[in-house]
Amino acid sequence: DAGVTQSPTHLIKTRGQQVTLRCSPKSGHDTVSWYQQALGQGPQFIFQYYEEEERQRGNFPDRFSGHQFPNYSSELNVNALLLGDSALYLCASSLALGYNEQFFGPGTRLTVL
Amino acid sequence: AQTVTQSQPEMSVQEAETVTLSCTYDTSENNYYLFWYKQPPSRQMILVIRQEAYKQQNATENRFSVNFQKAAKSFSLKISDSQLGDTAMYFCAFIEMDSNYQLIWGAGTKLIIKP
Repeated sequence: DAGVTQSPTHLIKTRGQQVTLRCSPKSGHDTVSWYQQALGQGPQFIFQYYEEEERQRGNFPDRFSGHQFPNYSSELNVNALLLGDSALYLCASSLALGYNEQFFGPGTRLTVL
Repeated sequence: AQTVTQSQPEMSVQEAETVTLSCTYDTSENNYYLFWYKQPPSRQMILVIRQEAYKQQNATENRFSVNFQKAAKSFSLKISDSQLGDTAMYFCAFIEMDSNYQLIWGAGTKLIIKP
């Protein structure tokens, strides 16, 4: 049973560019949440997707957008990258809305130069 | 505002010793879950232990146990018989059940187990 997978593992971009990160949830899960973890800090909630819609959003600008596909996989898009967007981006999957244990992927390390 | 405070940026103990990590949180809700997550150098976030706020009994998972003080909004993690594999970042987090389901995280405690 495959757990949560994320791609790519590492990514280097320059300021102003756009980036897309991908996440495949654990088998049987239908809800995907995205978190940003800056170096030396705890994760910050970006948004959560369920039934292909954004259900909740944290305090992140519109430059951060996402998508969920019919197979429950998800993408996180960040436009007009800033140096401050450099972070580890974590994807977590769970079963349905409400509280169910979130299982995390290994993350994508994004470096913005 | 919902916040989680971990006052110990880094701790180190000898293998086989017992260590306690501190966590305080702030919420106006009465229905929430509390968690301790472990993040080793591999970066994979792993759930260590979970506590439902409505339960008075402290949760335990093998060598891991919590001291949950609801009135004080305190949620500490005790690791007994520490092992080298316990070396990791440990994050305290909570989720409110009545208003939203966002995990709110602390800044983490770096735990080093020395041989």
